[in-house]
This record gives sequence, structure tokens and C-alpha cells, in this order.
Amino acid sequence: KQEVTQIPAALSVPEGENLVLNCSFTDSAIYNLQWFRQDPGKGLTSLLLIQSSQREQTSGRLNASLDKSSGRSTLYIAASQPGDSATYLCAGLETSGSRLTFGEGTQLTVNP
Amino acid sequence: DAGITQSPRHKVTETGTPVTLRCHQTENHRYMYWYRQDPGHGLRLIHYSYGVKDTDKGEVSDGYSVSRSKTEDFLLTLESATSSQTSVYFCACNRGQGNYGYTFGSGTRLTVV
Repeated sequence: KQEVTQIPAALSVPEGENLVLNCSFTDSAIYNLQWFRQDPGKGLTSLLLIQSSQREQTSGRLNASLDKSSGRSTLYIAASQPGDSATYLCAGLETSGSRLTFGEGTQLTVNP
Repeated sequence: DAGITQSPRHKVTETGTPVTLRCHQTENHRYMYWYRQDPGHGLRLIHYSYGVKDTDKGEVSDGYSVSRSKTEDFLLTLESATSSQTSVYFCACNRGQGNYGYTFGSGTRLTVV
């Protein structure tokens, strides 16, 4: 059974700092990987999708990478802002394509 | 976005009563999913559908049933609600297996008392 670990579970940083969130999978046979953001009491908002043939994706201040050989992904946030405060979830799609497995998330607080 | 609407947004119900949650999408996506989110467990797949009348179980399907009579609607039913089913339920959809991202609804917060 695929298990996903996100480290750290919580992170508090001052505004302007660059930061890295980590995600690792027990089974490296991942087809693709998606990072989501969740605000308190809200649904999940997709941030980045790393497709099967890709190793990284970028959107604005966000960059996500995936190393399938090790089953690890990182989300890099540059020049963090208070509006980035949220829980960040990674999710990997199994090669069978039928199951998206989530980590428990990293709760990020960016202090003004 | 796929335009996913979940209803109701909040519901309180009594133990032993049936409950149906609805998910409606407007983008003609083939695959639809029901997840529950609980502290300490993250998001777990309950059931999913890969087409009209085609459904399959996820990892926490006991006590739940689903139906999909139209492409746009995916219903989750708790036949006899229990307190352990108190959770936040999310619906998601995507175009199909492959390199398509998932889109999530805003969730339904269900409390069973």
C-alpha cells in the first residue's frame, strides 16, 4: 500500500523567506504527482501537476520537482508572503491510474 | 476548473439515519471520486466512478454506497450514518486516467450525532 509522508508537518517562517516542502512515497512507481493548497475550511486548489514525462513544473513563485527513482518530490516557494499561509498537500497517482494517494500535508504560516 | 458543486455544504444528522451527498460537475469529466478528510488520516478514497453506472470501491468504502446515473452527478449515500462517519467529504473529478490533474469541490462537512 502506497504511503506518503510530508515533512515538515508544520512550518512557520518570516515573510520573504524561500522555503522547501518535502514529500516522499513508499512506492516509487508513481505515474504523476500533484501539489494542492488547502485554506482552512475550504477545498483543495491545484497548484502544480508534474506529468509522467516531466521532472518539474513551475508557476510563478512555485516550483515543484519529482524524482521517481527515489519517490521524492519537493515544492519550492520563493519570497514567501502572508497570503501563502495554508496547508500544502502532495498527491501521487499510481501507475494503474486509479488511485491518488495523499500526504497529510504541511501547514505553512508566513508571518508579516 | 471543472465547475464542481457539492451539496449540502453542511449537514448535521442523527445516528442511524440515511444521508445522501451530491456532487455535480459541468465539464463532462469521465472520472469522479469521493474522498473523506480526517485529522491524522489525510484524504482517503471512498468510492470512484469511471463512467455512468460504472463505480468501484476505494480504501474506506464500508458503510458507503454510490450511484452515477448521469455523467454530471455522483451521489454518495450513507445508508445508516454512524458517528465514525463524521468527517469532511470532498468530491473530485478528472478527464480520465493519464496526465490529467484532479479538481476538487469545496467539501461537505457532515456531523453525525
